[in-house]
Amino acid sequence: DAKTTQPTSMDCAEGRAANLPCNHSTISGNEYVYWYRQIHSQGPQYIIHGLKNNETNEMASLIITEDRKSSTLILPHATLRDTAVYYCIVRDFLLNTGNQFYFGTGTSLTVIP
Amino acid sequence: DTEVTQTPKHLVMGMTNKKSLKCEQHMGHRAMYWYKQKAKKPPELMFVYSYEKLSINESVPSRFSPECPNSSLLNLHLHALQPEDSALYLCASSHPNKRHTEAFFGQGTRLTVV
Repeated sequence: DAKTTQPTSMDCAEGRAANLPCNHSTISGNEYVYWYRQIHSQGPQYIIHGLKNNETNEMASLIITEDRKSSTLILPHATLRDTAVYYCIVRDFLLNTGNQFYFGTGTSLTVIP
Repeated sequence: DTEVTQTPKHLVMGMTNKKSLKCEQHMGHRAMYWYKQKAKKPPELMFVYSYEKLSINESVPSRFSPECPNSSLLNLHLHALQPEDSALYLCASSHPNKRHTEAFFGQGTRLTVV
């Protein structure tokens, strides 16, 4: 699976958009980009994933560059409850081995009142 | 039901004890995983079960013994652990052969070895 690089930490004002970048310059054509977050001492929570098109769901938007070497997770209106560690994971699908995820160091997002 | 349930939530054990962690899901997922997470570190994959068979062991010491008795249950048997094994142990599940699918995580068992 391709390695990802994320900033160690970021701050965002409450109510503003939080834009979390991720570099994955060695991504291959079959690899998907997934985002998870982990609120303190809880299990990781799935946010969104995509292959090459931009994706949006009720939690966030995922913008993947045309060359797929980087992506940005956007939380449109950050709240205090969005304070968490955000993990960008790039992985290939292995049939019958499952969807195991290898976590990088992630970005610690702090939403400030 | 999109829950992965882990029990117990907290566990304190001595180095000579034998204990087990339990994980249960009823989403029909045939892939289940154990992760270990030390404080301020990302989760680290330990084991993967696919269709109730162990498919990946990430060089985990034998004092950790996984077991998948059926498609809904995953256990992690612990024996002769060391204090450095104290961590949050996370269970996850997913479909093993579906693209475009995520893994669901439990809330973890906080293990302290004394």
